[in-house]
Amino acid sequence: AQSVTQPDIHITVSEGASLELRCNYSYGATPYLFWYVQSPGQGLQLLLKYFSGDTLVQGIKGFEAEFKRSQSSFNLRKPSVHWSDAAEYFCAVGAWGGADGLTFGKGTHLIIQP
Amino acid sequence: DTGVSQNPRHKITKRGQNVTFRCDPISEHNRLYWYRQTLGQGPEFLTYFQNEAQLEKSRLLSDRFSAERPKGSFSTLEIQRTEQGDSAMYLCASVGIGQETYEQYFGPGTRLTVT
Repeated sequence: AQSVTQPDIHITVSEGASLELRCNYSYGATPYLFWYVQSPGQGLQLLLKYFSGDTLVQGIKGFEAEFKRSQSSFNLRKPSVHWSDAAEYFCAVGAWGGADGLTFGKGTHLIIQP
Repeated sequence: DTGVSQNPRHKITKRGQNVTFRCDPISEHNRLYWYRQTLGQGPEFLTYFQNEAQLEKSRLLSDRFSAERPKGSFSTLEIQRTEQGDSAMYLCASVGIGQETYEQYFGPGTRLTVT
């Protein structure tokens, strides 16, 4: 069975500082990997996705993520955070075919300090 | 493309009552998913439709839950005899035809509170 671990429940970062959110997955085959962001009262918005090719993927809002197969990781990064980045971030894994939906981690709550 | 919509956005009900939620996917999206999200957790998969056919159901979907997608357009999720443990955010997502990446577009969710 596939699973996703986001080891950090909360992360506090100063505005303008760099950010890295960790994600480790367990999946038997080549995974489809996603990062979503959820703001209060909002639905989940896709930041970026990986399923093949270049292991460094670029997303919206200046985010990027790097797929490392040897470490089963898909960490999310941003060089300089803005106060508007404060939100809940979810890493998710899916299978080809999509019939079983996505498996999400428990999320990381990002707090931005002024 | 008006996005995925869900109604109602909030529902408060008393234990034992039945509730029904509606999801309108992005037009012409043939795949539709339901998820449940409880406080402090990520979304958990409940069920999946391809057009009008319900192809997958999670073991989380007890026999009090039923989902339909008549005519392959909007979908409804009904919970019968609600319990306090059913309190959660219910999310709907859709995927377009031929989208091999299965990029899911989520609606804003319906927050259910069972008192």
